[in-house]
Parts: sequence; C-alpha cells; structure tokens
Amino acid sequence: AQKVTQAQTEISVVEKEDVTLDCVYETRDTTYYLFWYKQPPSGELVFLIRRNSFDEQNEISGRYSWNFQKSTSSFNFTITASQVVDSAVYFCALSEGKAGNNRKLIWGLGTSLAVNP
Amino acid sequence: DTEVTQTPKHLVMGMTNKKSLKCEQHMGHRAMYWYKQKAKKPPELMFVYSYEKLSINESVPSRFSPECPNSSLLNLHLHALQPEDSALYLCASSQNIDRGYQETQYFGPGTRLLVL
Repeated sequence: AQKVTQAQTEISVVEKEDVTLDCVYETRDTTYYLFWYKQPPSGELVFLIRRNSFDEQNEISGRYSWNFQKSTSSFNFTITASQVVDSAVYFCALSEGKAGNNRKLIWGLGTSLAVNP
Repeated sequence: DTEVTQTPKHLVMGMTNKKSLKCEQHMGHRAMYWYKQKAKKPPELMFVYSYEKLSINESVPSRFSPECPNSSLLNLHLHALQPEDSALYLCASSQNIDRGYQETQYFGPGTRLLVL
C-alpha cells in the first residue's frame, strides 16, 4: 500500500536558519511521482515541485532544494536562510504512475513550519 | 497569482440552506477536482471530473452535488449540510488524468465553509 510519512509535525526556527522537512514514502510501484505543496495561513495549496521516480537528480530553486533518495525512499525538502514568509504547512504527496482514472494523490500529514523573526 | 479561482472565499450557512461553491480555471485543463480539508489535516479528495464527466466520487454524501458545466467551470452544490461539514473546500485542476503519469494539480485559494 502507498503511504507518505512526514514525521515532523511542527518545526520552529529563527529567521535565517536552514531547515529540512522530511518525507518518507512507501510504494510497490517502480513508476511513481512525488510532490511538495506549501499551504500558508491563507489556505491556498501552492505547488512547489514534482519529481518522478526515474529522475533522482536533486533540485535547487532559489532558497529551496530537494533531495530525492530512492535507496531510503525519501524526498526531503530544505529551506536555506529561512524567512518569516516561509511559515506555512508543507505537504509531501505521492502518486503511482498507472494510467487511468483511479490515480490519486496520497498525502502526508504535513509539517507546520514557523519561522520566527 | 493563482490561475484557479474560487468563490466565495467564506460562506456561512444554516443546515437547511442551499448554496453553491464555484471554481474556475483558464489554463485549458481538462481535469478538475474538489477536496475537503479539515484543520490540521491533509486534503481529502471528494470528486474528480475528466473532460466534464464525473470520473471519481469518493463515496461523498449526496448532500454534496458536483457539477461541471464546461471545461473551465466546476460547481459544488450544497444542501442540508451538517456542522461537521464545516471545512476548507479546495478546487484543483490538472491537464488531464488519463495519461500514464500523474499530472500536477494546481489549487485555488479555497472556500472556508461554516455550517451552523
């Protein structure tokens, strides 16, 4: 069965600190997709990144970086030099790569990040 | 700016009211979704429309009635709701859902619903 675990329920850091949000997934498929979304207090879910299981390259986008390791079934997210605007709930999600209408996102429970000035 | 819009942003309704939530996207996407999200929980899928046809209904109670008038619009009609239906209702869209890979879902800002 598919599963996504975000073990950190809440994280609190001081501005400019680096912070890593963990995501561990379980799937039996060889083809799958992983996502990160950000949900600020306003409520909108903001797409951050999609990664497929065949692309193990790490990615950097500004202060954000992602470390995908199939060997440990992890897709961790690091924010460098955190800012108050990074305060949000961050969700990791998994989807299998089967064609058809039954494909759904399996969500982790989210990590609430508070960046304090 | 989000390319998925939702109205209203907030809604308060009594248990006997009928109301509708509206969602619109102009990205040319052919799949649209309704999610329900309770506080401190991840979103829960309710319905999926693909090419304006209902593709997935996650055993949602009939007091929630979705409608997809065209490829850009998605409505959720509400009738005789219960207080436990109070939640954030999120709409999302993706290019489609019938390809051999998972398309990215793009979400709207949501409607915060309170049922009294």
